[in-house]
Amino acid sequence: AQSVTQPDIHITVSEGASLELRCNYSYGATPYLFWYVQSPGQGLQLLLKYFSGDTLVQGIKGFEAEFKRSQSSFNLRKPSVHWSDAAEYFCAVAASNTGKLIFGQGTTLQVKP
Amino acid sequence: GAGVSQSPSNKVTEKGKDVELRCDPISGHTALYWYRQSLGQGLEFLIYFQGNSAPDKSGLPSDRFSAERTGGSVSTLTIQRTQQEDSAVYLCASSSGYRGINYGYTFGSGTRLTVV
Repeated sequence: AQSVTQPDIHITVSEGASLELRCNYSYGATPYLFWYVQSPGQGLQLLLKYFSGDTLVQGIKGFEAEFKRSQSSFNLRKPSVHWSDAAEYFCAVAASNTGKLIFGQGTTLQVKP
Repeated sequence: GAGVSQSPSNKVTEKGKDVELRCDPISGHTALYWYRQSLGQGLEFLIYFQGNSAPDKSGLPSDRFSAERTGGSVSTLTIQRTQQEDSAVYLCASSSGYRGINYGYTFGSGTRLTVV
């Protein structure tokens, strides 16, 4: 069975600073990996996804993530954070043989002016 | 439809009552998922339907929870004898099947359940 760990429950960064949100997964085969964002009172929005190929994937809103098989990680990055990026971020892994999607506990991002 | 539709959007019920939550997936999507999001918690997997296969019920927290999917389309999540700890947002998602997950998973807006 697959699982996802997001080690940081809460992160605060200053506006304009760079951001990295950590995600570690456990899955025996090649995983399908996702990052979702949820703004307060809003639904889940897909930021980016990795299935295969280039390990650095670009997403919406200037986000990118890098798949590192050796570290079982899929960290999300953004070079310069905007106040509107304040939200909760979820990493998720889907089993490639069933499609079953499992989420991490989420990381809440606060942006200081 | 154009998206995943969930109803009702809000439900307040008394402790001990049964509730039914409905999910209308995107037409043609063969996979359907239910998740629960409690205050301050992540997205907890509940149950997963894939085509005509037996559902994966491994996430259901107790036997008070059950779900069915009729005709491979609409799904109903039933919670019997509701408890206050059942208060949460229940999210439904659908996808075009595990071989089609390149198209991603589409989530509904959720049903906010409050047990008083």
